[in-house]
Amino acid sequence: GENVEQHPSTLSVQEGDSAVIKCTYSDSASNYFPWYKQELGKRPQLIIDIRSNVGEKKDQRIAVTLNKTAKHFSLHITETQPEDSAVYFCAASRGGNEKLTFGTGTRLTIIP
Amino acid sequence: GAVVSQHPSRVICKSGTSVKIECRSLDFQATTMFWYRQFPKKSLMLMATSNEGSKATYEQGVEKDKFLINHASLTLSTLTVTSAHPEDSSFYICSATGSGLGNIQYFGAGTRLSVL
Repeated sequence: GENVEQHPSTLSVQEGDSAVIKCTYSDSASNYFPWYKQELGKRPQLIIDIRSNVGEKKDQRIAVTLNKTAKHFSLHITETQPEDSAVYFCAASRGGNEKLTFGTGTRLTIIP
Repeated sequence: GAVVSQHPSRVICKSGTSVKIECRSLDFQATTMFWYRQFPKKSLMLMATSNEGSKATYEQGVEKDKFLINHASLTLSTLTVTSAHPEDSSFYICSATGSGLGNIQYFGAGTRLSVL
């Protein structure tokens, strides 16, 4: 089955600086890669996703890149703000209504 | 985005009793729902995948007789923890997806189960 690894497990960034979180996956048939943000005690919220037919996607301060050959994808947050502090999870699936396999999560702390 | 409602948000029960958790899609037809378990400061562990009108598909190591899943309609799935024990205490979260949602899973707010 799919295995998703995520690094780093914790990340502290000065407000205004950029944050990068990286994930690798093992199943070459995976073609859908979402990123979720989860605040303490709350539900995971989708912040951005990418499909295997594109290499990069951007939404304001958030961007995701995908390297299918190397089987890795990354989340980039620029101009970080205190409200970006949360746990971020990457995930991978084969698309359709297939299950998601989640990474282990990254606790991001933005230092004011 | 689509809305998924999960109830109850918190439940405390005695050991040996059963607890039912509901997951509803409020504004879309959820052809597939997923049930996850999340331990403190850990990732989401998929327990089972539930397709409307079909038996749930359980992940390896998840006891299907202990965690009963029903997905009888396109807007409702239930998870029943039978004969709960303290080790079943956890945060349970459901998610749902459906046609036209582009593979996106929308999550419920979760249920914190505490078994005394």
